Amino acid sequence: AQSVAQPEDQVNVAEGNPLTVKCTYSVSGNPYLFWYVQYPNRGLQFLLKYITGDNLVKGSYGFEAEFNKSQTSFHLKKPSALVSDSALYFCAVRPGSSNTGKLIFGQGTTLQVKP
Amino acid sequence: ETGVTQTPRHLVMGMTNKKSLKCEQHLGHNAMYWYKQSAKKPLELMFVYNFKEQTENNSVPSRFSPECPNSSHLFLHLHTLQPEDSALYLCASSQTPTQFTDTQYFGPGTRLTVL
Repeated sequence: AQSVAQPEDQVNVAEGNPLTVKCTYSVSGNPYLFWYVQYPNRGLQFLLKYITGDNLVKGSYGFEAEFNKSQTSFHLKKPSALVSDSALYFCAVRPGSSNTGKLIFGQGTTLQVKP
Repeated sequence: ETGVTQTPRHLVMGMTNKKSLKCEQHLGHNAMYWYKQSAKKPLELMFVYNFKEQTENNSVPSRFSPECPNSSHLFLHLHTLQPEDSALYLCASSQTPTQFTDTQYFGPGTRLTVL
């Protein structure tokens, strides 16, 4: 079965510290991976995606993600967290077999950045 | 977020009512999507339309009836809903869903409460 797992419901980090939000996936074929962020009462905003190439992908708002094929992971990272980064983060994978644009989402991780 | 708009933002309806959700995208995209977001659950893809044609129906109950009159507009007609249908309904659009590099952009959602 094709799936995405975000093992942490919530991640707490102090402002200025590095942050990591974890994501692992299971798909047949090549994985196409995405990160989205959702602020309260808002829709999802695209952060970054991995299609092919460099394992370190840079995205919006200073976020980056590292693709690790052997560990089937795509963790989201930021060197220095801001209070304004506090939000709900979703990892998603597009199965290589899909030609309809279907994405499979993880259950989301709440990031709380304390001042 | 103004690229994809959704109305209404909030909707309360009884189980015998009929209502419709509207989505409009201003990005010139060809595909549109409906997702359901329930608390503590991953986003669930409901329907996909590409060039006005439905390409994905994720086993959605018939009390949800989508309509896509053109590539810029998407409706979700609701009738005889159940309280468990209360959720945030998100609309998204993308340029070319058949390409793996395709990225979906989301609207702010409609918060639906079924009494």
